[in-house]
Amino acid sequence: SQKIEQNSEALNIQEGKTATLTCNYTNYSPAYLQWYRQDPGRGPVFLLLIRENEKEKRKERLKVTFDTTLKQSLFHITASQPADSATYLCALDDSGGGADGLTFGKGTHLIIQP
Amino acid sequence: GAVVSQHPSRVICKSGTSVKIECRSLDFQATTMFWYRQFPKQSLMLMATSNEGSKATYEQGVEKDKFLINHASLTLSTLTVTSAHPEDSSFYICSASWGGDTDTQYFGPGTRLTVL
Repeated sequence: SQKIEQNSEALNIQEGKTATLTCNYTNYSPAYLQWYRQDPGRGPVFLLLIRENEKEKRKERLKVTFDTTLKQSLFHITASQPADSATYLCALDDSGGGADGLTFGKGTHLIIQP
Repeated sequence: GAVVSQHPSRVICKSGTSVKIECRSLDFQATTMFWYRQFPKQSLMLMATSNEGSKATYEQGVEKDKFLINHASLTLSTLTVTSAHPEDSSFYICSASWGGDTDTQYFGPGTRLTVL
């Protein structure tokens, strides 16, 4: 069966360090993989999208990698700040293109400690 | 840009009543809107996909007669939970996409439904 797994329910990182979150998937062939941020009681906010033919994508302090052989994406936040504390969700689309619903992982709750 | 609103943000209702939730794309035309449900500490689960002017496509296990979706225009979709029961209590989130070759979706802030 199809499965998306994010490395841990919670991750504690000291301020200033790099936070690395993992998303593994099985039985998918995603055209894209996306990362979202969700704060308590709010809807997810889109952060980054990486396509199957891209190895890496960057946006300011964020970096995403995508390894279709390992079926894994890594999400990095460099120079982490307490304001980065949130739940981060990875999401896949298996449709090969076009608007379609996403399948989300459970998320990793990231806590950046001052 | 790409702002999606939802109304109401919170609703408490009695068992057996119906509740309507609105989802609007404020600054773009959404060819497709999606409805998700999220239980505490769980991932978002897609309930249905709706395209303007056509019937919604429901995910397996989601009752279409219980969760009525109307996508009346390119900026408005509504979800009506009919004859709500306590097990329908959840966080309902809509998202909108303007199409193109990617699935980037813009999410609303969510609606917390509590059925007593």
